[in-house]
Amino acid sequence: NAGVTQTPKFQVLKTGQSMTLQCAQDMNHEYMSWYRQDPGMGLRLIHYSVGAGITDQGEVPNGYNVSRSTTEDFPLRLLSAAPSQTSVYFCASRARVPSREQYFGPGTRLTVT
Amino acid sequence: AQSVTQPDIHITVSEGASLELRCNYSYGATPYLFWYVQSPGQGLQLLLKYFSGDTLVQGIKGFEAEFKRSQSSFNLRKPSVHWSDAAEYFCAVVGGYQKVTFGTGTKLQVIP
Repeated sequence: NAGVTQTPKFQVLKTGQSMTLQCAQDMNHEYMSWYRQDPGMGLRLIHYSVGAGITDQGEVPNGYNVSRSTTEDFPLRLLSAAPSQTSVYFCASRARVPSREQYFGPGTRLTVT
Repeated sequence: AQSVTQPDIHITVSEGASLELRCNYSYGATPYLFWYVQSPGQGLQLLLKYFSGDTLVQGIKGFEAEFKRSQSSFNLRKPSVHWSDAAEYFCAVVGGYQKVTFGTGTKLQVIP
């Protein structure tokens, strides 16, 4: 099992550019989520999905889009990058049962200039 | 709405000393509680979790945590800290609609 994989590991964007952060898991997990991590703010939930075709907003969804066409993949799209989106992004997955742990990807460090 | 508070942003302990990291949560029902550890430049790894039964739970790397409903707390403890424990620690709660809420983290420094 590769677990949760994320690409790219590092990315630099100019303000206004768009891009997609990729996330894939091979554990057949129903639940997937995207977080951003900023110093002193912990991990904040951007969007999450409880299964293919079902997504919902987290606490900081503005400026981001997601879709879930398959169980395995959960890409995060930045529509028009802003410096405030400079952060480390983590994708996570878990089985639907809420007592199960989340498995995290290695993260994507994004800088918007 | 659920929330998690980790009141200590940064803690420094000597190697071999005991450790307690505080976590308080807010949630109307019995929560599912987790502690994760993050080493620099890495993702998060599960240390331990609580969702029912014995309120004292054991985790990996010699960590344990105690769920106290009356205090809405889930503090993480270790009797003797090793230099390799230096990392950032996050408490998390799974509550309504299966949303996971993390605390802001506690950064642990271990001095020799």
